[in-house]
Amino acid sequence: QSALTQPPSVSGSPGQSVTISCTGTSSDVGSYNRVSWYQQPPGTAPKLMIFEVSNRPSGVPDRFSGSKSGNTASLTISGLQAEDEADYYCSSYRSGNTYVFGTGTKVTVL
Amino acid sequence: EVQLVESGGGLVQPGGSLRLSCAASGFTFSDFWMHWVRQAPGEGLVWVSRINTDGSITNYADSVKGRFTISRDNAKNTLYLQMNSLRVEDTALYYCVRGVPGNYYWVYWGQGTLVSVSS
Repeated sequence: QSALTQPPSVSGSPGQSVTISCTGTSSDVGSYNRVSWYQQPPGTAPKLMIFEVSNRPSGVPDRFSGSKSGNTASLTISGLQAEDEADYYCSSYRSGNTYVFGTGTKVTVL
Repeated sequence: EVQLVESGGGLVQPGGSLRLSCAASGFTFSDFWMHWVRQAPGEGLVWVSRINTDGSITNYADSVKGRFTISRDNAKNTLYLQMNSLRVEDTALYYCVRGVPGNYYWVYWGQGTLVSVSS
């Protein structure tokens, strides 16, 4: 079961926007709107940032947004802030009653 | 307040067994699907297994199928993961995670319990 593909790292200056891609297949991202995104600062448990492709849980800043096109989902952080520095993981339901995470992306605020 | 507290991790030799537990509180445990997710040191998240509300449905990642067994005791509000035939590559922090009814994402995570497989 191969992981979804994410870039290892992205970076930006405060106030800039960064986008993280998450590429899967027609068995997961491409077939289901069941993509979620998680933020994980070092040494902590993951935190839900986006669910069902583009929905934000209450309490998550609106500078976080999600989208999907074909087999690729994306997370965009607009107006980057120092506190956004963390690892980010996408996740998708995969046919066959399993789930798959992305390889993870380290976001660095310059 | 929802709390998920994992225990049972430790050092085990390859081929050995270990049983993880997750004590749940702050919600009606029997109403929720539960999952295990693991993270090897310095690596990414990997979904391991899930179980439905009454324990009649279980699913596993291919990497653990046939070696790991997920179960639950709703009377004790506890989730389990029995891990047999452990391999070095099973070394990871194991998170207990609560499902969201009818959905495919996770809000509540435990802090994890560390399993180390080494000779």
